[in-house]
Amino acid sequence: EVQLLESGGGLVQPGGSLRLSCAASGFTFSNYAIHWVRQAPGKGLEWVSAMSGSATSTYYADSVKGRFTISRDNSKNTLYLQMNSLRAEDTAVYYCAKAADFHVFDYWGQGILVTVSS
Amino acid sequence: QSALTQPASVSGSPGQAITISCTGTSSDVGGYNYVSWYQQHPGKAPKLMIYDVIKRPSGISNRFSGSKSGKTASLTISGLQAEDEADYYCSSYTTSTTVVFGGGTKVTVL
Repeated sequence: EVQLLESGGGLVQPGGSLRLSCAASGFTFSNYAIHWVRQAPGKGLEWVSAMSGSATSTYYADSVKGRFTISRDNSKNTLYLQMNSLRAEDTAVYYCAKAADFHVFDYWGQGILVTVSS
Repeated sequence: QSALTQPASVSGSPGQAITISCTGTSSDVGGYNYVSWYQQHPGKAPKLMIYDVIKRPSGISNRFSGSKSGKTASLTISGLQAEDEADYYCSSYTTSTTVVFGGGTKVTVL
């Protein structure tokens, strides 16, 4: 059974940093790109970032480019999102999602809340 | 990258068919057959319903179908049921090697 479990969320002040983790199981982790998608309270889904299975390619939304860094450790079946210079508008539930193909998210985690507030 | 355009809400009676549209540009919806649709119930993670415009993942009811014409993709739910009441999001691959979502459509079963 495919499972994705996010962790590392919480309350952080504007300008602060946070690192999210996404622990995966039930599939060959290194074979698949994994994405981060976020959802601000009461709002729609927003694609954030992705990393190829081989960890050789990374992709970012303009809204987070230069502030967020995606990485993965295939030996630990874990994806990370390092979030720096956080802003109030980064407040959201962050989901990690497995990509069947780059653009198709067939499995999602349960999401983790990040709140940026003073 | 601007969000794809979806109607804010669509409603229908049980047993009816409804259609949700998703309009993009030639850089996303119009440029690729890589449109997906996701269903999200309150407080839950999204669930893949349709991918590559018309394909259904295993286990998804054939009451859900997708189509595309030009820069507009559509999701049709036939034989509407109470359990179909949820938010629905389209997404598309883009020329920038990113993914863009629609703003979401709230489906209400009357």
